Amino acid sequence: ELKVEQNPLFLSMQEGKNYTIYCNYSTTSDRLYWYRQDPGKSLESLFVLLSNGAVKQEGRLMASLDTKARLSTLHITAAVHDLSATYFCAVRTTSGTYKYIFGTGTRLKVLA
Amino acid sequence: DSGVTQTPKHLITATGQRVTLRCSPRSGDLSVYWYQQSLDQGLQFLIQYYNGEERAKGNILERFSAQQFPDLHSELNLSSLELGDSALYFCASSVVSTGYNEQFFGPGTRLTVL
Repeated sequence: ELKVEQNPLFLSMQEGKNYTIYCNYSTTSDRLYWYRQDPGKSLESLFVLLSNGAVKQEGRLMASLDTKARLSTLHITAAVHDLSATYFCAVRTTSGTYKYIFGTGTRLKVLA
Repeated sequence: DSGVTQTPKHLITATGQRVTLRCSPRSGDLSVYWYQQSLDQGLQFLIQYYNGEERAKGNILERFSAQQFPDLHSELNLSSLELGDSALYFCASSVVSTGYNEQFFGPGTRLTVL
């Protein structure tokens, strides 16, 4: 079964702290996406990771990809309240026809 | 603002009816994707078009169909609507179908089936 699992599902953290969101996927994939969604809003693209060992950083967020372990991480450094949102990872599968499979999302709340 | 537009923003209809959702991609983007987001199913990929041709297919029901027109806008047709079709429908676009293909999402159409 094609699955993308994120953990944790919910994360409440203090401002200034660091934390990591994990995204595991069960199928062969040629790219991994991270998105942010604010309540009642659309999805905003954060990162697209294509190759094993890829690392991308934007502000306090850093994403990495290990294709051998089928694992991506989204690391948050020195969290601020503005990062409160739901974060989704998604993969494009390469087994059979292309499909995009999303994780369940991680709801992040950063407390002041 | 991603540059992707979707109409209408909200749609309320009854079971058994048919609706059409419209998406205009960003200028220059050839690829359009449709997604459904609901509390039950989460985010589900429905279908992708590239320059008018179907490129990838996800969990799209047979009651649903889509097309991309020569001007690159796309429509998602939902027929014989059921209560469970109530969801947020997003359209996204990207420049190409291969390579980096970062997707930019529209604001969504919220469909309520009564």
